[in-house]
Amino acid sequence: SQQGEEDPQALSIQEGENATMNCSYKTSINNLQWYRQNSGRGLVHLILIRSNEREKHSGRLRVTLDTSKKSSSLLITASRAADTASYFCATGSYSGGGADGLTFGKGTHLIIQP
Amino acid sequence: DGGITQSPKYLFRKEGQNVTLSCEQNLNHDAMYWYRQDPGQGLRLIYYSQIVNDFQKGDIAEGYSVSREKKESFPLTVTSAQKNPTAFYLCASSIGTSGTSYEQYFGPGTRLTVT
Repeated sequence: SQQGEEDPQALSIQEGENATMNCSYKTSINNLQWYRQNSGRGLVHLILIRSNEREKHSGRLRVTLDTSKKSSSLLITASRAADTASYFCATGSYSGGGADGLTFGKGTHLIIQP
Repeated sequence: DGGITQSPKYLFRKEGQNVTLSCEQNLNHDAMYWYRQDPGQGLRLIYYSQIVNDFQKGDIAEGYSVSREKKESFPLTVTSAQKNPTAFYLCASSIGTSGTSYEQYFGPGTRLTVT
């Protein structure tokens, strides 16, 4: 089952505007991560936010975490055409076999219109 | 794509054949992972390895096998028992052995098509 669910599924904005994506999850977490994936490529790590943090910044990225609502948001300010990609949130995964990997949502596909 | 290489980029196989996907990292990371991605979907964990000669099943391990004979290598074999093998396969590694506590570095992926 998927732990993280991103919203919206797709988002199209004009270059220069801000883009906000949301992630909801179901169980308690130690931390939450955001990744970007350009079409047909591997994923690139953006930010890791720990459960005792409420907000974190990295360049034009701002991530918030609300553990009481089990939700996180990713804000990209002053968007650029190069930001066009799919964005995924990821949380810890504990399968029956005991593996310790990440569980990803289906992602938000962001399109920046020039 | 960092220090993780996956080969080949595209792979075509006939149904009923086993196929092995390569994953190599030069980051000196302890943990390595294999994920599967289907169109419009997120990633699903197949197998995970914390140390050499040890690995654990993920959420969708059936029909797959792995080995970890060297720290830098974590090949994935897609067997004929995998019902729907056509997918995009991603390998990743992390410096620590807790996948939830460290960022993961991903390879460029292998797109497998089975007909």
